[in-house]
Amino acid sequence: GAVVSQHPSRVICKSGTSVKIECRSLDFQATTMFWYRQFPKQSLMLMATSNEGSKATYEQGVEKDKFLINHASLTLSTLTVTSAHPEDSSFYICSALPLTGSSSYNEQFFGPGTRLTVL
Amino acid sequence: QKEVEQNSGPLSVPEGAIASLNCTYSDRGSQSFFWYRQYSGKSPELIMFIYSNGDKEDGRFTAQLNKASQYVSLLIRDSQPSDSATYLCAVIDTGTASKLTFGTGTRLQVTL
Repeated sequence: GAVVSQHPSRVICKSGTSVKIECRSLDFQATTMFWYRQFPKQSLMLMATSNEGSKATYEQGVEKDKFLINHASLTLSTLTVTSAHPEDSSFYICSALPLTGSSSYNEQFFGPGTRLTVL
Repeated sequence: QKEVEQNSGPLSVPEGAIASLNCTYSDRGSQSFFWYRQYSGKSPELIMFIYSNGDKEDGRFTAQLNKASQYVSLLIRDSQPSDSATYLCAVIDTGTASKLTFGTGTRLQVTL
C-alpha cells in the first residue's frame, strides 16, 4: 500500500514553455502533498506544501507565480512550471501525507520523481 | 534557520563491514527523525524512523538517537554492494509537524 505515482517520469521541453507534473496517491487519500526539487548531487529542497482545497504554501525563495500548484482532490496535486528555463531543469519529487491517523509519525510517501530538462 | 547536517562522503566500507552514518540537527525541539536511502536517479525510500532516545533495530539497520546531543545515526551491519547509495537524514519540522527538512546526504560506497 501507500503508493504515489508521478506523471510524466521524464519531460524535455523548450525554453519558454510550460510543463505540468501530476502527483497521485493511488491507494490512500492525502490532504497534504509536498513538492521537492533536487539538483544534481544536492539534497531534496522543499518547494511548497500543497493542501487540498486551499492555496499552496511556498517556501522562501520559491516563486509562486512560476511554480503553480493545484490540489484539486484528495488524491491529486499538480505542479506547473510556467515559462520554463534551462535553470529549472531538475528532478521534481512529490510526496503525500496520508490523512491523520493512517500513517506512523507523519510518514510521507514519495513519488518516483519527474526529470525535467529545459532546452 | 533549521538545519540538518551530514558528512557528504563518500564513505567507503568493504563488503561485510559496518557502515556508520551520522547526522546532527539544530532544532532542539525536533521529535521525529527519518533515514532515507536514495539510489541515483530515483526518489528516496524510507529505511527507518526513530523518535525515542536510544537504539532502534530493523534487520541489518540500527538507528540511534541522542536528543541531548542532537544527534542521530544509522548503522548498517554486514554491508552489501546493494547498500551503495546516498543516505538522507530528515527531521520533522516542529512547527508544522509534517514538513521534512533533509540533510545533504552521505554517499555510501560498499566495495567488494
